[in-house]
Amino acid sequence: EAGVVQSPRYKIIEKKQPVAFWCNPISGHNTLYWYRQNLGQGPELLIRYENEEAVDDSQLPKDRFSAERLKGVDSTLKIQPAELGDSAVYLCASSPGPGSYEQYFGPGTRLTVT
Amino acid sequence: GEDVEQSLFLSVREGDSSVINCTYTDSSSTYLYWYKQEPGAGLQLLTYIFSNMDMKQDQRLTVLLNKKDKHLSLRIADTQTGDSAIYFCAERYTGTASKLTFGTGTRLQVTL
Repeated sequence: EAGVVQSPRYKIIEKKQPVAFWCNPISGHNTLYWYRQNLGQGPELLIRYENEEAVDDSQLPKDRFSAERLKGVDSTLKIQPAELGDSAVYLCASSPGPGSYEQYFGPGTRLTVT
Repeated sequence: GEDVEQSLFLSVREGDSSVINCTYTDSSSTYLYWYKQEPGAGLQLLTYIFSNMDMKQDQRLTVLLNKKDKHLSLRIADTQTGDSAIYFCAERYTGTASKLTFGTGTRLQVTL
C-alpha cells in the first residue's frame, strides 16, 4: 500500500513569490493534516480536514496561507506571498478518520525562502 | 495548555539500551506517541500508549508511562546504528480530536 505522497520534495523561492504544496493521502483515509516543522522543532498543526471540510484551521496564518481539499482526497497548501520565516518543512499526514489514533506522515516538502 | 518537553541529545554505544524521556503537561491526554524521523524523511510512528496503561512492549521497544509525574519514556534495547534518528514524543489530548502536540525531539546518536 502506498504511503502519503507529497510533492515537490524541495522548493527554493524568493520572498514575496507564491508557492504550493501537494499531498495525496493514503487511500481511504478521510482525515488529512498539514503540519509545519521548523528547524530543530517538532511539527505543529496548521490545518485538519475531515473529507473536504476544514475542521481545525486555527493555527493557519490566513493572511498568506490557504488550503483546499476539493474532492476530499488530494490537498494543496499555498503560501502567497512567501516570507523568509516560512522556510520550514511542510508535512502532510492522514488517518482513517477523526477517531483514529494513528497518523501517517508523508516525507514532507522542504521550503527555503531566500 | 499543552506542552511537551524532551532532552535534545542522547549518545549511546551500539548494543546498549537507550532511554529517551519526555514530559507533558496536559493531564487529559488520551494517547501518547513516539515517532522516529530519519534525515530528510517524514515521521514514522513507532508506538503509542493509551493513558490508562503503564507499560507497553513491542519487540525492542518499551514504553513506560508515569501519569502521576506526566512522564513518558521510550527504551530501545540492543540499540543499533540504524536507530540513529530524531525521536519525537507527542500527545493527543481530549480537548481537540486528533490533534497531536509534539515535543522538540531528541537526537539519538549511536556510536560503534
